[in-house]
Amino acid sequence: DAGVIQSPRHEVTEMGQEVTLRCKPISGHNSLFWYRQTMMRGLELLIYFNNNVPIDDSGMPEDRFSAKMPNASFSTLKIQPSEPRDSAVYFCASSLAGAFGEQYFGPGTRLTVT
Amino acid sequence: DQQVKQNSPSLSVQEGRISILNCDYTNSMFDYFLWYKKYPAEGPTFLISISSIKDKNEDGRFTVFLNKSAKHLSLHIVPSQPGDSAVYFCAASARGTYKYIFGTGTRLKVLA
Repeated sequence: DAGVIQSPRHEVTEMGQEVTLRCKPISGHNSLFWYRQTMMRGLELLIYFNNNVPIDDSGMPEDRFSAKMPNASFSTLKIQPSEPRDSAVYFCASSLAGAFGEQYFGPGTRLTVT
Repeated sequence: DQQVKQNSPSLSVQEGRISILNCDYTNSMFDYFLWYKKYPAEGPTFLISISSIKDKNEDGRFTVFLNKSAKHLSLHIVPSQPGDSAVYFCAASARGTYKYIFGTGTRLKVLA
């Protein structure tokens, strides 16, 4: 299995631009999570999907952030407009058997907003 | 407010010795705890977990201890190997929820 796939691996953009991060979960997994990692706050859960449906987006910092999961094999996290404080590493993770299944993380997307 | 705290941002240990990584939590509803390991430019990978009904779980060189009264858990690595050098994240979850609350991580360096 290829594991969780994320693209791009690195993204550098200017403040105000739209950024779209992509994730392909492990085939057969029914839960998908988006996390953000910063030095100050560690790994923060942004949003959780179960069977393609957003269950909890309370971790999404602002309306500038949005996430979709149009099908079981693809999800996007969009930031519009981006700001320098959004600079972080964004991870996607997937799991089987709901929330208590072990979460498998992708390699992350390092976002830099200048 | 950090519900899961890893107060040591870094730790250096000599190869062959024991590494002890600590984690404290504040939410008494947490009943499932995990440790994840992260190498540079990779995503975190699951290492070991423990349920609140146990106070110890062992897997090879890795042992996690849980002290519920102190709201404290620790990860012991014995013996430590250079390949163990990574960032270790502690995470906690409450029954009936799906959220893993992660700490900020501890960077372990095992010196050869």
